Parts: sequence; structure tokens; C-alpha cells
Amino acid sequence: AQTVTQSQPEMSVQEAETVTLSCTYDTSENNYYLFWYKQPPSRQMILVIRQEAYKQQNATENRFSVNFQKAAKSFSLKISDSQLGDTAMYFCAFIPTGANSKLTFGKGITLSVRP
Amino acid sequence: NAGVTQTPKFRVLKTGQSMTLLCAQDMNHEYMYWYRQDPGMGLRLIHYSVGEGTTAKGEVPDGYNVSRLKKQNFLLGLESAAPSQTSVYFCASSRDSLRGETQYFGPGTRLLVL
Repeated sequence: AQTVTQSQPEMSVQEAETVTLSCTYDTSENNYYLFWYKQPPSRQMILVIRQEAYKQQNATENRFSVNFQKAAKSFSLKISDSQLGDTAMYFCAFIPTGANSKLTFGKGITLSVRP
Repeated sequence: NAGVTQTPKFRVLKTGQSMTLLCAQDMNHEYMYWYRQDPGMGLRLIHYSVGEGTTAKGEVPDGYNVSRLKKQNFLLGLESAAPSQTSVYFCASSRDSLRGETQYFGPGTRLLVL
């Protein structure tokens, strides 16, 4: 069974600063995918970034980037130049490859961006 | 494209009442999912479907039933609602799960069971 751990329940960052959200996972699979989803106060789940485990290169989407350490089973999200609109809950998620695979979510972290 | 839509957005039920939540997607996705979100618990999978006419149990299926009669629709039923089913319910869809295809989520349904 896979587990995803987000050990920090809450974080706060000043607008325009950089913040890193931590995520670790446990799996015996070799091929899998990792995601960060954002859930703003509207409750809509929005994909932030997706990482394929077999790719060495860390995924990047504009101000969002990841630090993927496969050996350490760590998948942290870095948000640069934080904006007020980044205030949200962020979920880390894991899915192994294969038919009928299921997405496993962490418990989430609440990020507040201060003006 | 509307993506994934859910009906209703909010509902209040009394214990023992029944209801059906409707999920619709217009992306021609094969896979569909129902999750529930509770404070401090993340999202947990209730049931899922890998194609029209198929359903399977997820992590927390008790008290729920599902049906996928049409590819674009996935229904979640509560036959006899209990206060423990007070939650926010999300539907999601994806092309498949073979290569970690992204799941796209609906806006959620908030359910309160009194």
C-alpha cells in the first residue's frame, strides 16, 4: 500500500517571498507519478504540477517547481514570488502506473500568503 | 467544454433519507471517481469506474452505491444517510490510469446530514 505524508499542517509566507511545501511518500513501486493539487477557498481542485518518476528532471510550471528526490521518496513544491492568490490548501498525491491504479492523497497543507 | 460538473452543489438531509449525487464529464474520459473530503483527512476514494457499465470499490465504500450507465455520467447514491456521511464529495475523471493521467475534478458537493 502507498502512503503520502504531508507533515506540516499549516504554513505562512510573505507576498513575493518563496515557500517550500514538503511531501514524502512510501511505495515499493518503481514506476509512478506524483502530483500537487491546489484547493483554494472555492474548493475547486486544481492541478498545479505533475512529475513522472522515471524522469530525472524536476517539473516546472511558471512560479511552481518541484524538488523530486526519488531515493529519499521526497517530492516538495516550491512556490516562487508568492501571490495572494496562492492562498489555498495544497495536496500531494501519488499514483503507480498500471490499469486500475488509484490516486492516494496526503492530508494537505494550508498555505496563507500575507500581504 | 464544461469539464466535470456536479449536481447539486449543496444539500441538507435528515438521517435515513436517500439521495443521488450526479457527476457528468464532457471530456470522453473512461475513468471516473468519487471521493469524499473530511477535515484533516485529505481525499479518500469511495468508488470508481474504469468504463461504462463498470464500478469498483475504493477505500471507503460502505454506505454508498454507484452506477455508470452512460460513459459521461457517474452517480453516487446514499440509500440511508447517516451523520457520518456529512462531507464534501468530489467527482473526478481521467483518460485512464496506465500512465498517471491527470484526474480532473468537479466543483464538489457539500452534504450535511442532520
